[in-house]
Amino acid sequence: AQKITQTQPGMFVQEKEAVTLDCTYDTSDQSYGLFWYKQPSSGEMIFLIYQGSYDEQNATEGRYSLNFQKARKSANLVISASQLGDSAMYFCAMREGYNQGGKLIFGQGTELSVKP
Amino acid sequence: DAGVIQSPRHEVTEMGQEVTLRCKPISGHDYLFWYRQTMMRGLELLIYFNNNVPIDDSGMPEDRFSAKMPNASFSTLKIQPSEPRDSAVYFCASSGTAYSGNTIYFGEGSWLTVV
Repeated sequence: AQKITQTQPGMFVQEKEAVTLDCTYDTSDQSYGLFWYKQPSSGEMIFLIYQGSYDEQNATEGRYSLNFQKARKSANLVISASQLGDSAMYFCAMREGYNQGGKLIFGQGTELSVKP
Repeated sequence: DAGVIQSPRHEVTEMGQEVTLRCKPISGHDYLFWYRQTMMRGLELLIYFNNNVPIDDSGMPEDRFSAKMPNASFSTLKIQPSEPRDSAVYFCASSGTAYSGNTIYFGEGSWLTVV
């Protein structure tokens, strides 16, 4: 069964510094996708970044990058130059199955607090 | 483009009442997911559909929960009868096929309180 593990319940980072949020996954499928979502206190789920299992380059979206280490089954999110607005819950998720058309399973989340 | 639209945004109901949550996926998306979020259990997948057909409903907690997708632009999640432990945020999400991008987009959620 697929599984997503986020081992950091809470993290603190100083404004303007970089922070890494950890995510490990477990799957026997060769084709899967890894996602990160942000959930601010208002509650909506905001898509941040996606990495396909066959993508050789790490995904980047603005200040977000995904450090994908396939052999270690890790997909850490790196946020550069943290801003106060980055304070939120961050969820790692995985979608597996044929052409990644399967279900999306989430980790337990990491609460990030950015200090001024 | 309109995102995933859910209604109602907030609902407070009495135990034993029927609750119906509604979802309109993004046009052209053929996958639709229903999730429940609570502090204790995190984000749980309840059920998902592909081309209006339920693919996996193993996360539906019990027979009180049912979901339908009568057409490509509408889905409902029904709880009958509701219980206080059903209080949660219910999210609907949708995505296209692998060939058109796998990103799964979420609605703003329906905040349900059962008293």
